[in-house]
Amino acid sequence: DGGITQSPKYLFRKEGQNVTLSCEQNLNHDAMYWYRQDPGQGLRLIYYSQIVNDFQKGDIAEGYSVSREKKESFPLTVTSAQKNPTAFYLCASSGTGGSYNEQFFGPGTRLTVL
Amino acid sequence: EDQVTQSPEALRLQEGESSSLNCSYTVSGLRGLFWYRQDPGKGPEFLFTLYSAGEEKEKERLKATLTKKESFLHITAPKPEDSATYLCAVQAGYKLSFGAGTTVTVRA
Repeated sequence: DGGITQSPKYLFRKEGQNVTLSCEQNLNHDAMYWYRQDPGQGLRLIYYSQIVNDFQKGDIAEGYSVSREKKESFPLTVTSAQKNPTAFYLCASSGTGGSYNEQFFGPGTRLTVL
Repeated sequence: EDQVTQSPEALRLQEGESSSLNCSYTVSGLRGLFWYRQDPGKGPEFLFTLYSAGEEKEKERLKATLTKKESFLHITAPKPEDSATYLCAVQAGYKLSFGAGTTVTVRA
């Protein structure tokens, strides 16, 4: 089955620690995205990548980093510089052919700072 | 700056009681308006894309409509399994801007 997988489902981080969230897709999509979801707020874009080896900052990129070495993979690192990292993180992907492209989401990773 | 506002924040319905959710937006160069359903602790599930004013899409008990300033998601004769948070998003360029969502609870 085609889809997007995220791991782990739950992640706990200690103060000052970097953690990496995994996102893999087998939909053959060119574009991938990372969002953060907080209670009572809309999803906010962290980073996005339209093609391998290229990515752009979204609205809230400070304290996060990404890489896009393979089409299928778009890992997100939450660094110690991110002051309030506790949130639900969502990865999405979309095709880039044409002007209108639905984004399909993974199941999410819930990150908690201890 | 693109803005998306969804109302109401929460909606409690009796099974079979039809209602509508609102998504009002301001965006430069709308390329598409998207509706998603999200269950607690899960990722959003794609429902519809609307591209131009006057367009309508239907799926089971859900119907989405679009005007130049807002979109409505109509839920006809809802069932308890329709309970979820419904998210609206608009696309300008490659970016989606999301509203905060409407949480729908349908009681049997």
